[in-house]
Amino acid sequence: RKEVEQDPGPFNVPEGATVAFNCTYSNSASQSFFWYRQDCRKEPKLLMSVYSSGNEDGRFTAQLNRASQYISLLIRDSKLSDSATYLCVVNRFNDMRFGAGTRLTVKP
Amino acid sequence: DAMVIQNPRYQVTQFGKPVTLSCSQTLNHNVMYWYQQKSSQAPKLLFHYYDKDFNNEADTPDNFQSRRPNTSFCFLDIRSPGLGDTAMYLCATSSGVAGELFFGEGSRLTVL
Repeated sequence: RKEVEQDPGPFNVPEGATVAFNCTYSNSASQSFFWYRQDCRKEPKLLMSVYSSGNEDGRFTAQLNRASQYISLLIRDSKLSDSATYLCVVNRFNDMRFGAGTRLTVKP
Repeated sequence: DAMVIQNPRYQVTQFGKPVTLSCSQTLNHNVMYWYQQKSSQAPKLLFHYYDKDFNNEADTPDNFQSRRPNTSFCFLDIRSPGLGDTAMYLCATSSGVAGELFFGEGSRLTVL
């Protein structure tokens, strides 16, 4: 079983749609969690950290469920510019592991 | 200003010809990482350093070696590149524990 598993996608949605991504992790000792965004042929960039209480940044909401060992990312009111690959990252003692990534395409 | 700098950005090498990729950081972060990312795949952790402590992933081929001579610099050496080593190599840093990853722009390696 992979340490970090992520919805494979791809997700193709119209502008304005709400889309959710999930990611599960296998090690209950994992300490911190992140969502990264990666555009084609570019390096990943931090979208947001994921906190235990859940956190929101504009149209983006991240949640963590430690009991079920998953994290989620919700994007509301999708924009064309949200088209990218979204990667979850799980950290345990500086061992930072990526999920496989979910490709999102937002269409007009 | 770029905080994690990778060189070269693009490298083409011949099968079996050694390659060294470099990474430097101005963040004074304790932790430095090397990831390999092949086309349409997620970044795969090769190894990381916490200060001088080296952590090698169990499935990282012996062909891949790393050096961290000081806090600011880290190198990835590929001793005998194979065709399957064609990928983008990403260097990242972190302050540790809950810190996020800061990436360089990557070194895109093509092995012919």
